Amino acid sequence: NAGVTQTPKFQVLKTGQSMTLQCAQDMNHEYMSWYRQDPGMGLRLIHYSVGAGITDQGEVPNGYNVSRSTTEDFPLRLLSAAPSQTSVYFCASSEGTSGAKTPYEQYFGPGTRLTVT
Amino acid sequence: RKEVEQDPGPFNVPEGATVAFNCTYSNSASQSFFWYRQDCRKEPKLLMSVYSSGNEDGRFTAQLNRASQYISLLIRDSKLSDSATYLCVVRSGGYQKVTFGTGTKLQVIP
Repeated sequence: NAGVTQTPKFQVLKTGQSMTLQCAQDMNHEYMSWYRQDPGMGLRLIHYSVGAGITDQGEVPNGYNVSRSTTEDFPLRLLSAAPSQTSVYFCASSEGTSGAKTPYEQYFGPGTRLTVT
Repeated sequence: RKEVEQDPGPFNVPEGATVAFNCTYSNSASQSFFWYRQDCRKEPKLLMSVYSSGNEDGRFTAQLNRASQYISLLIRDSKLSDSATYLCVVRSGGYQKVTFGTGTKLQVIP
């Protein structure tokens, strides 16, 4: 299994540009999340999904959209990039509580380092 | 007060030393607790859950003190490969009700 994959690894955008960060998992996990990690701050939840077709906002959703058309994929769209969105973005998946050794254990992708100039 | 607080460190310890980190949380209704490890410029990975009675996994021991609202991680016989940032994670409800600490950096020195 590849686990959780993310593309691209690095991206530089100009203010106002839009882009999509890709995330895919091959573990058949129902739960998926997007986090951003900034210096001096813990990971903050942007959006999450508890199953295909179901998404909801996290702590810092402004400026981002998500969709979950399949169990495997959970792309994150930046609508109009701003310098404040310069960050490292992590996608994570979890099988939740059903049958899990550690309920809600999260498996993270390798991250996307985004710089907005 | 932050929901989850950790000493950022760095903790610089020699190989073979014992080191302990604490993490305090503010929500008394918090339900589950974890330590994740994050290597430099890598993704976080689960190190261990923290159970009410305390638990051990090899050289690692985790403890929970609900009365004082903190969890701890003890690492015995530190190895160079233990050098990383250790994230405290607290869950207070469903899947999305999770708060990450900012992490404690450990550097094990030869």
